[in-house]
Amino acid sequence: SQKIEQNSEALNIQEGKTATLTCNYTNYSPAYLQWYRQDPGRGPVFLLLIRENEKEKRKERLKVTFDTTLKQSLFHITASQPADSATYLCALVRRNTGKLIFGQGTTLQVKP
Amino acid sequence: GAVVSQHPSWVICKSGTSVKIECRSLDFQATTMFWYRQFPKQSLMLMATSNEGSKATYEQGVEKDKFLINHASLTLSTLTVTSAHPEDSSFYICSAMDRALNEQYFGPGTRLTVT
Repeated sequence: SQKIEQNSEALNIQEGKTATLTCNYTNYSPAYLQWYRQDPGRGPVFLLLIRENEKEKRKERLKVTFDTTLKQSLFHITASQPADSATYLCALVRRNTGKLIFGQGTTLQVKP
Repeated sequence: GAVVSQHPSWVICKSGTSVKIECRSLDFQATTMFWYRQFPKQSLMLMATSNEGSKATYEQGVEKDKFLINHASLTLSTLTVTSAHPEDSSFYICSAMDRALNEQYFGPGTRLTVT
């Protein structure tokens, strides 16, 4: 079955540094992959989508890479701020159905 | 951006009662809505896919008679947890698919506590 894994350990970094989060998947070739932000007690908020034929996508301080050979996506936040502290989820999109398979999320803590 | 609302945001009910949760897409039409459940410190697990005007399709292991889904219009889907038990206590989140943009927008979630 499809499996998607994120580093379950919290990531603690200093304000201003770049945060890098990893998402690995197995047994699937997604058409695209999405990253979401989730704050405690709230629903996920869409951040970025990257398609299988795209290597990299940027949006302001966010950058996502997608390596279909390694079956891995990296999510970067540059010049991190305490307000970036949250749980970040990656999700595979099942072809033809639009169904999302979520990783368990990585909690990022940016210290001032 | 597109907005999806859920009501109520939290609910406490007694064991054995039923609870209805509403999911609305406020500024777009959603032919497909999804229902997820999230336990503490765990990921979102897809429960069912709700298509407007047709029966919902449930993921393996999800009881369709316990989690009743109705998608009566292009902007509203409801999830009814019937005969709720304490183990049904969870965070229920819906999402609505904007097919034009091929993106899902999530609601803020509903915290259900069954006592």
